[in-house]
Amino acid sequence: EPEVTQTPSHQVTQMGQEVILRCVPISNHLYFYWYRQILGQKVEFLVSFYNNEISEKSEIFDDQFSVERPDGSNFTLKIRSTKLEDSAMYFCASSERQANTEAFFGQGTRLTVV
Amino acid sequence: AQRVTQPEKLLSVFKGAPVELKCNYSYSGSPELFWYVQYSRQRLQLLLRHISRESIKGFTADLNKGETSFHLKKPFAQEEDSAMYYCALSNQAGTALIFGKGTTLSVSS
Repeated sequence: EPEVTQTPSHQVTQMGQEVILRCVPISNHLYFYWYRQILGQKVEFLVSFYNNEISEKSEIFDDQFSVERPDGSNFTLKIRSTKLEDSAMYFCASSERQANTEAFFGQGTRLTVV
Repeated sequence: AQRVTQPEKLLSVFKGAPVELKCNYSYSGSPELFWYVQYSRQRLQLLLRHISRESIKGFTADLNKGETSFHLKKPFAQEEDSAMYYCALSNQAGTALIFGKGTTLSVSS
């Protein structure tokens, strides 16, 4: 069964460094998402992406964040200058159609900023 | 504001007991609601959505617009139902899911 895959599974980075989290969505899906979950808190929406552009973003997704689909298969989330409070589990998801249909989630990347 | 509330952080039941995981929402318009489940060491996956009105793994959920609720129910809990359950709401544009904080269901024998 096709799956969304995320790499790495765990990333440790120093505060102020740039990180890139990578995701390979399911191949025939058209909509892509990033969510994050700070330890002990709820899953929060960051951004959705369709047709090579951002279709929606939350207040969390400020200028430090960017997304890209560089080669038609990968979907990346970049954090330009990480802060301690960026430490969280980051989930990528994709769906065939919009989010009001089934979204398939990756297993997550645990980002630890030290 | 769009919001999903799951009042229980943890629900512990015995095998064979009925289960009800509560979910209330705040939304203006016609909501699209979902239950996602995360089993231990597995990824988040869709359990059911209100629009399909189906029963998955014995679970059902009915949308009650008057009470703005979408509680998840199962008449007889199984140990393999132990997991984290998230209620989620799709925003109006269908571009994002808004999640509740989740409820951990623990079923013991």
